Amino acid sequence: DAGITQSPRHKVTETGTPVTLRCHQTENHRYMYWYRQDPGHGLRLIHYSYGVKDTDKGEVSDGYSVSRSKTEDFLLTLESATSSQTSVYFCAISGSGTGGGGELFFGEGSRLTVL
Amino acid sequence: TQLLEQSPQFLSIQEGENLTVYCNSSSVFSSLQWYRQEPGEGPVLLVTVVTGGEVKKLKRLTFQFGDARKDSSLHITAAQPGDTGLYLCAGGSSSNTGKLIFGQGTTLQVKP
Repeated sequence: DAGITQSPRHKVTETGTPVTLRCHQTENHRYMYWYRQDPGHGLRLIHYSYGVKDTDKGEVSDGYSVSRSKTEDFLLTLESATSSQTSVYFCAISGSGTGGGGELFFGEGSRLTVL
Repeated sequence: TQLLEQSPQFLSIQEGENLTVYCNSSSVFSSLQWYRQEPGEGPVLLVTVVTGGEVKKLKRLTFQFGDARKDSSLHITAAQPGDTGLYLCAGGSSSNTGKLIFGQGTTLQVKP
């Protein structure tokens, strides 16, 4: 199994509060990703990183920010959580950094509920 | 915007039956991946296909990439209860390995 750890695994919070989800990898992979999974939508990319301090937006990035200060850690922050951000969040790392066809290794997910 | 339409969304069958899951798009992808996900866990890669017309087999599972690289199918022969789970297709571009477009998923239940 790929060494990917997400924390927290479960969180309940209130609307308007900040939330940070952490992804930690021990594989030294260059690429890291945050996806969210919602019924009927599959997984949708929020943000990704292609190196330390190098990040870019995915298809559903509004309301989210990310940071990567070390190769092994990728943080996802909701500055002011809303009920529409209730979801299961998955961190993933790419098994290939050379482009095209690389498989993703996923963490176990972080279930966030915003009341 | 690239989209992947997966069908059916739900499938409940008896052990021993065959089934096919489809993944269709109007866009061309450089690769197509299939993942399987169990409750409470992250998706796990089953296969990657990269060549138009490519067919790959994984025991009772057969994966095919369309000639035009816009569609794919997953066929399971003689389904077993252990095949139960959520199956996801995902299309990739050559510009970034993990910036994938996922289908909505197919929930498969195989009854003993």
